[in-house]
Amino acid sequence: QSALTQPPSASGSPGQSVTISCTGTSSDVGGYNYVSWYQQHPGKAPKLMIYEVSQRPSGVPDRFSGSKSGNTASLTVSGLQAEDEADYYCVSYAGSNDYVFGTGTKVTVL
Amino acid sequence: EVQLVESGGGLVQPGGSLRLPCATSGFAFSSYWMSWVRQAPGKGLEWVANINQDGSEKYYVDSVKGRFTISRDNAKNSLYLHMNSLRAEDTAVYYCAREVRPVRFDYWGQGTLVTVSS
Repeated sequence: QSALTQPPSASGSPGQSVTISCTGTSSDVGGYNYVSWYQQHPGKAPKLMIYEVSQRPSGVPDRFSGSKSGNTASLTVSGLQAEDEADYYCVSYAGSNDYVFGTGTKVTVL
Repeated sequence: EVQLVESGGGLVQPGGSLRLPCATSGFAFSSYWMSWVRQAPGKGLEWVANINQDGSEKYYVDSVKGRFTISRDNAKNSLYLHMNSLRAEDTAVYYCAREVRPVRFDYWGQGTLVTVSS
């Protein structure tokens, strides 16, 4: 399985919105509603932000939202805050108990 | 409070072996799938392996099949990753994670660094 494709970087000013794409195939992103998004600050463990395409765990601000269209999933961060600056990774189920992560996107708050 | 604590990382020569334990607490360990996820220095995340609640189902990424073995001891609330025939490309921080549903890892350990080098 090849890694899902994410843009290397994205940025926005405080208060603005940023959307990160995660492009796979019909065998992974497009085939299942098992897509999650993780936030990772430098030197820290990843943190679950979105699961099953658009579900938000308790404690995650509603500024974070997820969606999917065809073979591409997206994470939108609205009302950007300084603490949102981090790396973000998508991951999808790919059948036969195979999981594939995205290439990662570094979000910068200008 | 849910806690996952990895240990066992270190420097190992190519072809060598290492066992990584992950000690857990604060939840019913025997009720959850568990996974190992790794991250090479400066690189992205890669799912490595997972195991079901009673250890009867185990799955691996192709690159570690036949070399790594995931196991668990429910009496000790612990997860393990046995790594053999290690290669330079296995150098990474290894995280254990609790798995609620496919790709839904809700708790992670702090990670342990494995360096494969001569």
